[in-house]
Amino acid sequence: DTAVSQTPKYLVTQMGNDKSIKCEQNLGHDTMYWYKQDSKKFLKIMFSYNNKELIINETVPNRFSPKSPDKAHLNLHINSLELGDSAVYFCASSARQGRPDTQYFGPGTRLTVL
Amino acid sequence: GENVEQHPSTLSVQEGDSAVIKCTYSDSASNYFPWYKQELGKRPQLIIDIRSNVGEKKDQRIAVTLNKTAKHFSLHITETQPEDSAVYFCAARKTSGSRLTFGEGTQLTVNP
Repeated sequence: DTAVSQTPKYLVTQMGNDKSIKCEQNLGHDTMYWYKQDSKKFLKIMFSYNNKELIINETVPNRFSPKSPDKAHLNLHINSLELGDSAVYFCASSARQGRPDTQYFGPGTRLTVL
Repeated sequence: GENVEQHPSTLSVQEGDSAVIKCTYSDSASNYFPWYKQELGKRPQLIIDIRSNVGEKKDQRIAVTLNKTAKHFSLHITETQPEDSAVYFCAARKTSGSRLTFGEGTQLTVNP
């Protein structure tokens, strides 16, 4: 099932580098999210966009910058990567109509910073 | 903001037994409570949800109960099977479109 897709699936990089993760949903949803899941499995929301507008911006270092070119895409750019950024990053989406509460997650991107 | 606590953090049961995972929430305005299952290396997937106007909901071997007065809700899995082994997350949300606040997860292991 590719309703919410992310690329790349794995990302291994050196400290200090800049990297991007892309997310796309073909469900026609209005709202998209980025979550970070650390080694203890805790799911923490980072950002949420609704119709390309930022609506949730948690306390995240400003090295993380989301970009939503249209409501089907939400990308995450990370500058000056640090060891603590190593985690699995999940994109998710939800609709405004129908079942607005259900969030559908992408397959995740495992980021390893060396 | 909302705070969701989940217990236990790990749960081991024998195949065929029941498993119960409990969550409490802090914000009485929360009105939507989903449960997600995350298998190893996979994405979280919604398995059941309940809204605040309902006290219980069942879907085959899975049920969720909600006590609004006490601000807690629970996931019940009956006749557990090895494929139920996963991390289970509860969550709470106030209004549609606002953030989901997740519990810290429960690692359920079903031993054959």
